[in-house]
Amino acid sequence: DGGITQSPKYLFRKEGQNVTLSCEQNLNHDAMYWYRQDPGQGLRLIYYSQIVNDFQKGDIAEGYSVSREKKESFPLTVTSAQKNPTAFYLCASTTTVGNSPLHFGNGTRLTVT
Amino acid sequence: DAKTTQPPSMDCAEGRAANLPCNHSTISGNEYVYWYRQIHSQGPQYIIHGLKNNETNEMASLIITEDRKSSTLILPHATLRDTAVYYCIVRVAGTASKLTFGTGTRLQVTL
Repeated sequence: DGGITQSPKYLFRKEGQNVTLSCEQNLNHDAMYWYRQDPGQGLRLIYYSQIVNDFQKGDIAEGYSVSREKKESFPLTVTSAQKNPTAFYLCASTTTVGNSPLHFGNGTRLTVT
Repeated sequence: DAKTTQPPSMDCAEGRAANLPCNHSTISGNEYVYWYRQIHSQGPQYIIHGLKNNETNEMASLIITEDRKSSTLILPHATLRDTAVYYCIVRVAGTASKLTFGTGTRLQVTL
């Protein structure tokens, strides 16, 4: 079945370390998104990519970096510059044809201590 | 900032209809309204979308006002499993623009 896979589901890191979250989709979607969610809060956009080798900052890009070398992959790196990295991270994708909705992965919960 | 506003929370008795409002007063003519819901600690799930006509599927109905400045998601017979946070967003179909979510409406379905 097609879908979006985020791994791992839970991730623990020490403060000061960079960490990369994986997001892979086999839906042949052009566009991919990263969102951050804090407890009891809504989704905030970190980065998004419309095509391979291109991406744009969202509302809270500071302290994060991304790459889009392949259509199916959009990894997110949480750098040591991110002041409050502990959060729930969600990846999503969609087509740029028609009115297909966003498809979400099941998220990665990152805890930095 | 989000282009939509929703009440932070609502309650509904099981078996009754849940009517969740969304305001999108600055919506453009080519923007669709999409609804999603998120059950705790999972990724949001797509529910329904529409442009200007009312829409219905197996999960819900979507009523969009004639001026398109607001919409209502209707869960006709709410169950406890419908307890979730519901988000509405607007988006131009066929594009991959910046998609911003608001804080959504937390629907609590009770016995």
